[in-house]
Amino acid sequence: DGGITQSPKYLFRKEGQNVTLSCEQNLNHDAMYWYRQDPGQGLRLIYYSQIVNDFQKGDIAEGYSVSREKKESFPLTVTSAQKNPTAFYLCASSLVGGPMNTEAFFGQGTRLTVV
Amino acid sequence: AQTVTQSQPEMSVQEAETVTLSCTYDTSESDYYLFWYKQPPSRQMILVIRQEAYKQQNATENRFSVNFQKAAKSFSLKISDSQLGDAAMYFCAHRGSNYKLTFGKGTLLTVNP
Repeated sequence: DGGITQSPKYLFRKEGQNVTLSCEQNLNHDAMYWYRQDPGQGLRLIYYSQIVNDFQKGDIAEGYSVSREKKESFPLTVTSAQKNPTAFYLCASSLVGGPMNTEAFFGQGTRLTVV
Repeated sequence: AQTVTQSQPEMSVQEAETVTLSCTYDTSESDYYLFWYKQPPSRQMILVIRQEAYKQQNATENRFSVNFQKAAKSFSLKISDSQLGDAAMYFCAHRGSNYKLTFGKGTLLTVNP
């Protein structure tokens, strides 16, 4: 089955440690996105990538880093510089080119708790 | 910069009634796409409806329809014959030519039996 897989579903880390969230898709999508969701804040864009080896900062990129070495994968690293990392993180992907109205498909999310 | 504003943090509707959720956006582009997504308690994001900015006709998907006012940069969602399963968080989203996909803060919809 085609889809987007985020792992793990729940993640616990100690304060000061970097942590990497995984996002893999087998939909052959070019564009991939990372969002952070907090209560009352909606989905805020962290980073997005339209193509392999290229990515752009979203609205809240500080304290986060990404890589896009493969089309299928877009891992997000939450660094120790992120002051408030506890949140729900969502990954998404979509087609690029052709009809632009193709929607984004989302993973199941990762709940990160920093203690 | 593109922004999306949902001015109603919460809304409620009686089962079988109609409800309209508001969304306004700001963009400098003339060609873009707008979406409404639904997020139930499972937190899985589900596409409800989409609208291409170059199309004047409002999109419709069964009980869901939009009122797209391009000049006013408004994109409201109307849910007719509301059902208990419609209860969820609803997000409005804008995507421009650079594929940046921006969401609003959401509206929590409660459906009363």
